[in-house]
Amino acid sequence: QVQLQESGPGLVKPSETLSLTCTVSGGSIGSDYWNWIRQPPGKGLEWIGSIYYTGSTKYNPSLKSRVTISLDTSKNQFALTLTSVNAADTAVYYCAISAARPREIDYWGQGTLVTVSS
Amino acid sequence: DIQMTQSPSSVSASVGDRVIITCRASQGINNWLAWYQQKPGKAPTLLIYSASTLQSGVPSRFSGSGSGTDFTLTISSLQPEDFATYYCQQGNTFPYTFGQGTKVEIK
Repeated sequence: QVQLQESGPGLVKPSETLSLTCTVSGGSIGSDYWNWIRQPPGKGLEWIGSIYYTGSTKYNPSLKSRVTISLDTSKNQFALTLTSVNAADTAVYYCAISAARPREIDYWGQGTLVTVSS
Repeated sequence: DIQMTQSPSSVSASVGDRVIITCRASQGINNWLAWYQQKPGKAPTLLIYSASTLQSGVPSRFSGSGSGTDFTLTISSLQPEDFATYYCQQGNTFPYTFGQGTKVEIK
């Protein structure tokens, strides 16, 4: 059973950079899509971006200028970087895998709350 | 971006009730429609993909239908473990987008 675990700071100051890592266990990074999705407290879900195992990326245009997703297959990890954060970036951040098909999520991490505050 | 609109935003129902949730896309999405269930403090879980295909392990009381822009999720006989928030998600055009959610509450 594939398991994902997000890690990173729970508090980030405004204008600074949010960095999260997702570690995959119970499987290896193969021909899957690796995704980041976020959910502000009490609100709905937003797809941040995706990276294919080849390294090809797709980003939500609303965040594209600030977001980078990268892959480290040797460590079975992928990462999210979001620059110049503000209060609107406060959310639970989920890493997630599209394993069987690229258009929906099969496996989710438990999520990690990142608060942007001084 | 494709806008996904769910209705109702919330529904109160009793165990054994039939519950229907609708999801409308702002443009055609070629049946690339998924449904997720989310319980408080947990990540969503995939229920249905390609509008009507049940994910492995999901109880058969869940079903999906629809095409083009209009889709429905039906819970045929609500069980205690089904009280949760449900989201639709389009996978036709990136950025993939979600509906705002429908909360199924105990009546």
